[in-house]
Amino acid sequence: EVQLVETGGGLIQPGGSLRLSCAASGFTVSSNHMGWVRQAPGKGLEWVSVLYTGGTTYYADSVKGRFTISRDDSKNTLYVQMNSLRAEDTAVYYCAKRHSSDWTFDHWGQGTLVTVSS
Amino acid sequence: EIVMTQSPATLSVSPGERATLSCRASQNIGSNLAWFQQKPGQAPRLLIFRASTRATGIPGGFSGSGSGTEFTLTISSLQSEDVAVYYCQQYKNWPLTFGQGTKVEIK
Repeated sequence: EVQLVETGGGLIQPGGSLRLSCAASGFTVSSNHMGWVRQAPGKGLEWVSVLYTGGTTYYADSVKGRFTISRDDSKNTLYVQMNSLRAEDTAVYYCAKRHSSDWTFDHWGQGTLVTVSS
Repeated sequence: EIVMTQSPATLSVSPGERATLSCRASQNIGSNLAWFQQKPGQAPRLLIFRASTRATGIPGGFSGSGSGTEFTLTISSLQSEDVAVYYCQQYKNWPLTFGQGTKVEIK
């Protein structure tokens, strides 16, 4: 069974840094394209970043230059390093596995809440 | 960036009745569209991909149609467990973009 478990969220001051982790089971992260999607409180879904199996990355303009997506194959874990955090980055962050054939997401974690506030 | 617009914002439907949700793309996206269901406090769940193909484990009461710029998600007979917010997502171009959601409630 595919499972994704995000950790690392919490309260962080503006300008601070945080690294979110997404531990996967039931499949191999390095063999699948993966992504992060966030949802601000009471708002809709916003795509953040993707990591191709070959290492290519894409980022939303809103996080480009501040966030870095990566993975650790030995731990079967996806990460996002978030720097220079802003209040508008406050959201639940979901990691998700790309569908086998289409650029949408067929499995999602339960999410981890990041709150950027002083 | 491709803008996805969903309507209506809220849809109230009687139990057992049909629910029809709309999603419009700001430019032609072919069939590169997915639909998600999100219940309160839960992660999104993929319902439909490629505009009309049901994802694994999704019951036949959910169906998708459309291509180009106009898309529809239909719930054939609304049940209480279908109360949720539904989102469309395009994957024709980067960045991936979502609609703002349609909240489906029981009348």
